[in-house]
Amino acid sequence: QKEVEQNSGPLSVPEGAIASLNCTYSDRVSQSFFWYRQYSGKSPELIMSIYSNGDKEDGRFTAQLNKASQYVSLLIRDSQPSDSATYLCAVLTGFQKLVFGTGTRLLVSP
Amino acid sequence: GAGVSQTPSNKVTEKGKYVELRCDPISGHTALYWYRQSLGQGPEFLIYFQGTGAADDSGLPNDRFFAVRPEGSVSTLKIQRTERGDSAVYLCASSFSPFEGTGELFFGEGSRLTVL
Repeated sequence: QKEVEQNSGPLSVPEGAIASLNCTYSDRVSQSFFWYRQYSGKSPELIMSIYSNGDKEDGRFTAQLNKASQYVSLLIRDSQPSDSATYLCAVLTGFQKLVFGTGTRLLVSP
Repeated sequence: GAGVSQTPSNKVTEKGKYVELRCDPISGHTALYWYRQSLGQGPEFLIYFQGTGAADDSGLPNDRFFAVRPEGSVSTLKIQRTERGDSAVYLCASSFSPFEGTGELFFGEGSRLTVL
């Protein structure tokens, strides 16, 4: 089992819709979870972090964490074509080692 | 500079050759990380430096890979006897220390290595 698993997609949504991206992880002791966005040919950039069970909202983005189910998700409301990118789920396992999933490619059509 | 700088941006080499990839982190960042990203995959952890020392090198795939950070700033990833399977984008990232779970790694634009 991979440490961090994501559906590779692509996930296609129309402009204005809600995009839902999901991630599961295997290390039960992980405490810190992150979503990075990566545009094609570019490097990853951090968009959300979450440490406690529940929801965390930042603008159009909401991160959700359920440690009992070892599940992290990212919701993007009012999706825009500029949101089209690969979204990487990352989990901090062990001392300062950030493990990434394979990423989910999101396509937002105008 | 304002961001993490990596050179070269592109490197094409022949199988069996030696390659060095350089990373200049953000000024003031004491933690430095190397990741490798293959097409369609997420970044794969290679090594993490805290200051001059390698705090975790568990991701280095084999002894052909080695990284140094002699003065606690610039780091060089060295690959000996390159193989076609080494072809990937090598990403460097830096952060403040202690990491303290912030997760904010600042990535460079990467060095794309192609081994023919």
